[in-house]
Amino acid sequence: GAGVSQSPSNKVTEKGKDVELRCDPISGHTALYWYRQSLGQGLEFLIYFQGNSAPDKSGLPSDRFSAERTGGSVSTLTIQRTQQEDSAVYLCASSLVGGYSNQPQHFGDGTRLSIL
Amino acid sequence: AQSVTQPDIHITVSEGASLELRCNYSYGATPYLFWYVQSPGQGLQLLLKYFSGDTLVQGIKGFEAEFKRSQSSFNLRKPSVHWSDAAEYFCAVGGEYGNKLVFGAGTILRVKS
Repeated sequence: GAGVSQSPSNKVTEKGKDVELRCDPISGHTALYWYRQSLGQGLEFLIYFQGNSAPDKSGLPSDRFSAERTGGSVSTLTIQRTQQEDSAVYLCASSLVGGYSNQPQHFGDGTRLSIL
Repeated sequence: AQSVTQPDIHITVSEGASLELRCNYSYGATPYLFWYVQSPGQGLQLLLKYFSGDTLVQGIKGFEAEFKRSQSSFNLRKPSVHWSDAAEYFCAVGGEYGNKLVFGAGTILRVKS
């Protein structure tokens, strides 16, 4: 596809379970970002990958959150021992290059995560 | 640190009327500025961006925005609103840490017929 693809689109799980969210960026985009959108906090940056460099994890809210990007393409965001406050829409974005550049970020439709 | 303020949480305009959504940013240097739109259940779609040069930028769907350094503003405008423009609009700034965008709280636009 031409855009950023995220799966699943919706995920409902019980408190304490682990979840994995997937992002497939636009082909050729070297930079990949995860954001979280929640009612109380708005849109927040979580983590950023640029090529093979070490990711910028400065936005991850706790050590229950982790992400990886395999082969410079697909990324997985993992939340361990989910809590109700993790309920949010998780958005993935990609851009041609990252860092201090003028390349805009293109967003997927997000994964709506609900913790029961 | 960068920050973005969108002072209007909700705005209602009549179809065919003009629109202006306000955005103020805080950043010491020249920022990268963006407007995104989000329809229910959808991701963010880029409307327009400002990096440098002409301070009036044109975007998709008939939107434009003007960068005013003296006012630290980047307001979004449209001369005639259509019902399909009803959505939530986000202003964002990048540049201090160019790899991460800082978003405003968003403005929900309602269009009445």
